[in-house]
Amino acid sequence: EPEVTQTPSHQVTQMGQEVILRCVPISNHLYFYWYRQILGQKVEFLVSFYNNEISEKSEIFDDQFSVERPDGSNFTLKIRSTKLEDSAMYFCASGKNIQYFGAGTRLSVL
Amino acid sequence: AQSVTQPDIHITVSEGASLELRCNYSYGATPYLFWYVQSPGQGLQLLLKYFSGDTLVQGIKGFEAEFKRSQSSFNLRKPSVHWSDAAEYFCAVVGSFQGAQKLVFGQGTRLTINP
Repeated sequence: EPEVTQTPSHQVTQMGQEVILRCVPISNHLYFYWYRQILGQKVEFLVSFYNNEISEKSEIFDDQFSVERPDGSNFTLKIRSTKLEDSAMYFCASGKNIQYFGAGTRLSVL
Repeated sequence: AQSVTQPDIHITVSEGASLELRCNYSYGATPYLFWYVQSPGQGLQLLLKYFSGDTLVQGIKGFEAEFKRSQSSFNLRKPSVHWSDAAEYFCAVVGSFQGAQKLVFGQGTRLTINP
């Protein structure tokens, strides 16, 4: 069964550093998403991406965040200068009518 | 804007007992509704979905959910829980399917199973 793959599973970084979270969506999907879940809180939408551009973004997705589909298979989320409050589980998803989620990347900002 | 409320933060049931997890949504038109499950250390797995038609939908792992428009609810049920059902359960809504759509999640309900 096809699945969404995320790497790394856990990323530890120092405050102010740049991080790139990577995702390989399901191969024939055209719609991609990033969500995050701060520990103990609900899953929150960050951004959706279609046809090589952002479709919608939340207020969380400020100038420190960017997304890219650098090739035909990867979909990345970059945080330019991480803050302590960026510590969360980040989920990638793909699909249109139904979204399929990866296992997530736990980002710890120290 | 769409919103989802899961009134129960934590529920404990005995193995073999029946289960009902509550979900209420707020949306002006007919929503598209989902239940996802998150096992410890895992991602979100789709249990079931409601788009239209029969208001009682069947999902994986023996779960079902019923859409009740009059109550703005989409409660998840299982007649007999197993220890492996211990997990976090999320109800989510999408407003429409025009283009890429965000999922709006509820707070989640953590399910504990007593042996």
